[in-house]
Amino acid sequence: RKEVEQDPGPFNVPEGATVAFNCTYSNSASQSFFWYRQDCRKEPKLLMSVYSSGNEDGRFTAQLNRASQYISLLIRDSKLSDSATYLCVVNSRSSSASKIIFGSGTRLSIRP
Amino acid sequence: NAGVTQTPKFQVLKTGQSMTLQCAQDMNHNSMYWYRQDPGMGLRLIYYSASEGTTDKGEVPNGYNVSRLNKREFSLRLESAAPSQTSVYFCASSEGAGHQPQHFGDGTRLSIL
Repeated sequence: RKEVEQDPGPFNVPEGATVAFNCTYSNSASQSFFWYRQDCRKEPKLLMSVYSSGNEDGRFTAQLNRASQYISLLIRDSKLSDSATYLCVVNSRSSSASKIIFGSGTRLSIRP
Repeated sequence: NAGVTQTPKFQVLKTGQSMTLQCAQDMNHNSMYWYRQDPGMGLRLIYYSASEGTTDKGEVPNGYNVSRLNKREFSLRLESAAPSQTSVYFCASSEGAGHQPQHFGDGTRLSIL
């Protein structure tokens, strides 16, 4: 089992729709969580951090479920410009080093 | 604001050749990272440097070496390139190790023939 798993998609949804995807992680000691966005052949860019109480940034809502060990990203009123690959990032510290794991990404395509 | 700068952007090598990928950041970040990204896989951490003067192995360090030259610069060296090292390489930096969001460079597309 991968340490961080994402549905690769693609999710193909019409403009204006609401779309959500999850990311599961296997290490219960994981401490920090992020969603990154990556456009085709570009570098990843931070979309938002994920806080324990859940957080919202405009049309984007991120949530953490520690009991079930997953994080989620909800996009409301989707725009064409939201088409990208969304990477979840999970970090857990071992006794001597940080361990940063990227998911392989969920591809989202918004159609007009 | 340059952020994280990687050079070169593209490179083709023959098996057995060596090369160094350069990375510099101007955000006064303490931590720097090297990742590789292959099709269908997430970014995998090769090496990181939590602070100037320290380096540590990540998930896939074999075949690579790194140098944290100073606070700004973190280089990745392939001593004897192999076709399995064909990938896109990203350098990143953050204020602190692991717990901070990371800022990425544009990437280096490396092909080993």
